Amino acid sequence: SYVLTQPPSVSVAPGQTARITCGGNNIGSKSVHWYQQKPGQAPVLVVYDDSDRPSGIPERFSGSNSGNTATLTISRVEAGDEADYYCQVWDSSSDPYVVFGGGTKLTVL
Amino acid sequence: EVQLVESGGGLVKPGGSLRLSCAASGFTFSSYSMNWVRQAPGKGLEWVSSISSSSSYIYYADSVKGRFTISRDNAKNSLYLQMNSLRAEDTAVYYCARVTAHLRGMDVWGQGTTVTVSS
Repeated sequence: SYVLTQPPSVSVAPGQTARITCGGNNIGSKSVHWYQQKPGQAPVLVVYDDSDRPSGIPERFSGSNSGNTATLTISRVEAGDEADYYCQVWDSSSDPYVVFGGGTKLTVL
Repeated sequence: EVQLVESGGGLVKPGGSLRLSCAASGFTFSSYSMNWVRQAPGKGLEWVSSISSSSSYIYYADSVKGRFTISRDNAKNSLYLQMNSLRAEDTAVYYCARVTAHLRGMDVWGQGTTVTVSS
């Protein structure tokens, strides 16, 4: 089965840039989607297809994907960005069909 | 307003059954594939099951295969998850989520319904 690996935690000061990685075998050949989840709330899609943003998501959120690593970048981090972030891919060639990374807790110092 | 509302969660004994429902509104439900995703207490997101718009394609995670059944009623704008032979490890918040066209992520999520499996 396909495995996505995320660091458990990332810390960043307000106004700085946070980078959250998602590792997977040849992940650059897949489309990666990112979700933000705040405590007690449902996840929210913040980046899809590696680097596109749904409407309503600030331009501060961006993504990239190449080789074995996809990255969610949050520029000019705000206190309200503190949350858990999950990467996700579809893998129709294997089981399971939908794969999530283990999640990364972003702490704003 | 585009909305998904889950219901049907609760406390059930090991070996018991529950049926979760997800009511969709504000969009053409029959045009979208749907997923169930769960989250155990303090843990990450875990995909449970997927169903295509016309129910032609259905997928399950290994952890629930043979015990859970996903279905939908497009006339009622509703998604279901029949859960049988429940185990303690099925304890989680269960979310239904809409799949975007061309599998571009899951763009609409419900608020979740809590399932607790305990004696």
